[in-house]
Amino acid sequence: GEDVEQSLFLSVREGDSSVINCTYTDSSSTYLYWYKQEPGAGLQLLTYIFSNMDMKQDQRLTVLLNKKDKHLSLRIADTQTGDSAIYFCAEKGGGSYIPTFGRGTSLIVHP
Amino acid sequence: KAGVTQTPRYLIKTRGQQVTLSCSPISGHRSVSWYQQTPGQGLQFLFEYFSETQRNKGNFPGRFSGRQFSNSRSEMNVSTLELGDSALYLCASSLTGGDRYEQYFGPGTRLTVT
Repeated sequence: GEDVEQSLFLSVREGDSSVINCTYTDSSSTYLYWYKQEPGAGLQLLTYIFSNMDMKQDQRLTVLLNKKDKHLSLRIADTQTGDSAIYFCAEKGGGSYIPTFGRGTSLIVHP
Repeated sequence: KAGVTQTPRYLIKTRGQQVTLSCSPISGHRSVSWYQQTPGQGLQFLFEYFSETQRNKGNFPGRFSGRQFSNSRSEMNVSTLELGDSALYLCASSLTGGDRYEQYFGPGTRLTVT
C-alpha cells in the first residue's frame, strides 16, 4: 500500500525555526495535510496543500511541496514551547477519500 | 460553539466483549469520520459517515462497524474484542467531508482490552 514516512524526533531551541519533513509514495496524491497532536488530546488539522501548489503560508506556518520528489515539509517560524507536540503528515490519493498517515514527528522545544 | 464530544473518554473491556463508542459532531456538521490510533500501527482511518450513510471504509475487519443518526451523532461498535483493539479511537467532524474540508477532532476514547 501507499506509505508516508517521517522522522520520529526533532529538537529545537525556542525562537528558532523548525522544519518537519515528510515523504510519500503515492504519485497520485492530491491533498496533503499536517496535523498536530498535543499530549492527551485529539488531532488538530493545521493546514493542507493541494498537489498543484508548491507552497502555502499561514502565519508562522509554511508548507513546501516538492511533487517531483514526493517531499512535503512544514516550517514553523519562531518556535515556541507551546509548539511542542507530535506532528503528523497525511496524504490522500486521487480518487481515494481514505487518508494515509505518517507515524508522526515528536517536536521538542527547549528554552 | 461546542466542539466534538466523545463518550466515554476511557473504557476497559475484556477480550470477547463488545463495545460501543459515541461521537457528537459540531452542530451543523454532517460528516463524521472515525480513526484508530495505536503505538504499533499509528493512525488508521476506520470509516466516514455522511447523512446517515457510510461513505468510505478503511481496511478493518467486519467486527468494526458504525452508524450515524439523523442528528449526525455517530456510534462505532467493535464486537468480539481482541487485545489488539486497545487503542485511542478518534472521531472527527466536518461540514460536508470530502478532500477540501476543515476537520475537527474530538479528544478520543481510550479503549483498553484485557
